[in-house]
Amino acid sequence: SQQGEEDPQALSIQEGENATMNCSYKTSINNLQWYRQNSGRGLVHLILIRSNEREKHSGRLRVTLDTSKKSSSLLITASRAADTASYFCATVGTSNTGKLIFGQGTTLQVKP
Amino acid sequence: GAVVSQHPSRVICKSGTSVKIECRSLDFQATTMFWYRQFPKQSLMLMATSNEGSKATYEQGVEKDKFLINHASLTLSTLTVTSAHPEDSSFYICSASRLAGVRGHGDTQYFGPGTRLTVL
Repeated sequence: SQQGEEDPQALSIQEGENATMNCSYKTSINNLQWYRQNSGRGLVHLILIRSNEREKHSGRLRVTLDTSKKSSSLLITASRAADTASYFCATVGTSNTGKLIFGQGTTLQVKP
Repeated sequence: GAVVSQHPSRVICKSGTSVKIECRSLDFQATTMFWYRQFPKQSLMLMATSNEGSKATYEQGVEKDKFLINHASLTLSTLTVTSAHPEDSSFYICSASRLAGVRGHGDTQYFGPGTRLTVL
């Protein structure tokens, strides 16, 4: 079952602009992860943030986590055309199974 | 490191035939692998969790007799779609956890490139 809702579903920006995607979830989590998927391809792991962390950075990526609101955001700064892809958040619950439950995803288009 | 491969990448079959998809962790051992299905323009839906040496755990609504999973070694899991029908056409993706000692509690899953199944 899918527990994550992502917002917006689609985002179109110009190269150089920042892109922000939001994710909400319903149950308690161990960690939340963000993935990227290029059309018709597998997933690439971008960043993992644990439930006791509030913010994490990796290159041009910044992820925040608000467990009180059960939400996370992914910010891509200074976007590039190569960032065009679908972005998914996924949560790992506290039940120790390691299962990832994916959100619906945000399709990002970065125009050159 | 942490490369996961899938074979085949693309398969077209006739309705009623069975199709086997392999998922391999190439440079690490994975006692847990996961199988997902993704329909066009949709998200990934977890189908089952595959643990080496034991029966797979299927998500609600996934027919275990339809989607046979075998995890015979620490680097290989297979998904067999039995008696495939056009509605089984989808993108099937596997992932593997590089475990840190605790079964099923890997933090990062490494995904295969996916298998596009088309059933005519």
